Formats: sequence, C-alpha cells, structure tokens
Amino acid sequence: DQQVKQNSPSLSVQEGRISILNCDYTNSMFDYFLWYKKYPAEGPTFLISISSIKDKNEDGRFTVFLNKSAKHLSLHIVPSQPGDSAVYFCAASAEKSSGDKLTFGTGTRLAVRP
Amino acid sequence: ETGVTQTPRHLVMGMTNKKSLKCEQHLGHNAMYWYKQSAKKPLELMFVYNFKEQTENNSVPSRFSPECPNSSHLFLHLHTLQPEDSALYLCASSERLALEQYFGPGTRLTVT
Repeated sequence: DQQVKQNSPSLSVQEGRISILNCDYTNSMFDYFLWYKKYPAEGPTFLISISSIKDKNEDGRFTVFLNKSAKHLSLHIVPSQPGDSAVYFCAASAEKSSGDKLTFGTGTRLAVRP
Repeated sequence: ETGVTQTPRHLVMGMTNKKSLKCEQHLGHNAMYWYKQSAKKPLELMFVYNFKEQTENNSVPSRFSPECPNSSHLFLHLHTLQPEDSALYLCASSERLALEQYFGPGTRLTVT
C-alpha cells in the first residue's frame, strides 16, 4: 500500500501562472516532508522541505504547505517558468535523520507552457 | 567530477550475464543509497550504507549484490536478472542518513 500518493500524474500550466502540485500521505508517523525535482536524464534534486511543526515553508518562488489533519501537502510555484518543467516527487519520513526510511510518491510531471 | 556520478548510463544485458553498476560521490558524504525506479512506481529504496556499513536491505532479491569499499564508492553487482528488473537505478548520497539526498543521473538497465 502506497503511503505517499501523488494522484495527478501530470499538470500543465501557463508561464507566469501558479503551479500547484499535491501530495497525500497515510502514515500519521510522518513528520518530515520533502519535494524533489527531476529533469530527464538527471537524478532527482532536492527542492524544499517542511517539518510537521510548521504549516508553511517558503523559498523564493517555491512554497510548501502542510495540512497535518488532512494528511496533505502541496507545492506552489509562483510564477511558473518553462524551466520548472520537470517531474516533481513528494517524499516523507518519520524521523529527521532517517534517510534510510524515506518514502517517495510516484511523481507529477509539470509542463509549463510559454 | 562533482556531485554523484554513475556508470554506465545505459546497460543492456541478457538474463545470464553478470554486470556491475558503479556510483561515486565527490561530496564527502558518509551515507550512500541504491534506489530502483520502475515506470509509474515510486522510487524504491534497495540498499543503504552508512559509514561503509550496510544498514538497510529492503527485501531485495539476492541477484542484486551491493558493495561499498569506502564512503565514496558504491557498486551494485547484477547476475541472472529477470526482464522485470529493467528499470532506472539511481544512486544517492547524504550526510550520515540525512533526508536531503544527492542523486546521480542513474543507469537505465534493460534486461533481455
């Protein structure tokens, strides 16, 4: 059973508009959440993270929101740029230093149209 | 070289072959990981090494054999694979077992 779910396999957004990528999880023990971005022929790269003591974390154009009661997090990209076109993976862990227990979603492919 | 490198980038092998995947990290990290990414599936953690000691083996079949001679190098030895083992194999490293991991570009493996 998948503990981290990204139910939208793809998303298309106009350049300059907001991109919202969603992620749901089932394990209430998860306390740390990350987003990774992956370009074709490259490995995933870390983008932004949030711990469960916060409900929002912002880094430039990227903001992650966490709703613990709904077991839901989302990544907002504002404004979206063509270079943001990539696959975005949501990941979660129950402990801060347990990289050996990181659980990933299946990814959402974002296409930003010029 | 910087970051995490993986060789080869592409590999086609028969079910009776033996081959090895290589990963090298130039980041001074202590932990290294092997992941498998199959189409439309989440990244699956296969093996974890922390300070050269294997800490995790997620019920991976014995036809996959990892080796970590030092903190900078990680190998995945392959033998008698099945067609369903065809996937992208990603190597990653991190400071100890930090969640922020640095990935290599992967090896696209096809088993015929």
